[in-house]
Amino acid sequence: SAVISQKPSRDICQRGTSLTIQCQVDSQVTMMFWYRQQPGQSLTLIATANQGSEATYESGFVIDKFPISRPNLTFSTLTVSNMSPEDSSIYLCSANLAGAGQPQHFGDGTRLSIL
Amino acid sequence: SQQGEEDPQALSIQEGENATMNCSYKTSINNLQWYRQNSGRGLVHLILIRSNEREKHSGRLRVTLDTSKKSSSLLITASRAADTASYFCATDAQGGKLIFGQGTELSVKP
Repeated sequence: SAVISQKPSRDICQRGTSLTIQCQVDSQVTMMFWYRQQPGQSLTLIATANQGSEATYESGFVIDKFPISRPNLTFSTLTVSNMSPEDSSIYLCSANLAGAGQPQHFGDGTRLSIL
Repeated sequence: SQQGEEDPQALSIQEGENATMNCSYKTSINNLQWYRQNSGRGLVHLILIRSNEREKHSGRLRVTLDTSKKSSSLLITASRAADTASYFCATDAQGGKLIFGQGTELSVKP
């Protein structure tokens, strides 16, 4: 079955720095999604990444803080900018590998801790 | 903001017992999906039920959907210690964007 891989799997960063998370899908997909899961919480959608256009952000998330790239149909990056301890979360990417309306598959996530 | 609510928030049962988790949502949906997450790792897709379906089975899993009540339930029969995990429902109302419930933390004791 198709695979979504993320890296890094975890990182510990200093406040004020930025980190870019990579997400690779082993098949071409139209849309990729980025979610945040704060400690002990559920998942919240950050943005939808479409190839060839700007990402669409959900309420409460802005491009300056979470810039997203989608250079092709199998790859996306999420950058967490100017990090603070409140950004400590698991960040997950996902995609509908079989198309819209089908099950969504997730990467293993990036566990980010900011000191 | 989170659309779904799940109950119970935590459930502790003995191996062999059945576990039932409930999910409610607020708006019309295309489909509803259930996921499992082990110890803060990635999500594993369990089952998808479409808005025109009422019940679906997969192995020891049974999912029901009541669109008139905007609710769904996940039943795990004959639970095993390996079923210990967090379970989330997620609704797809708009082109793949999933809105997750708060999750149920299931503990199955051997």
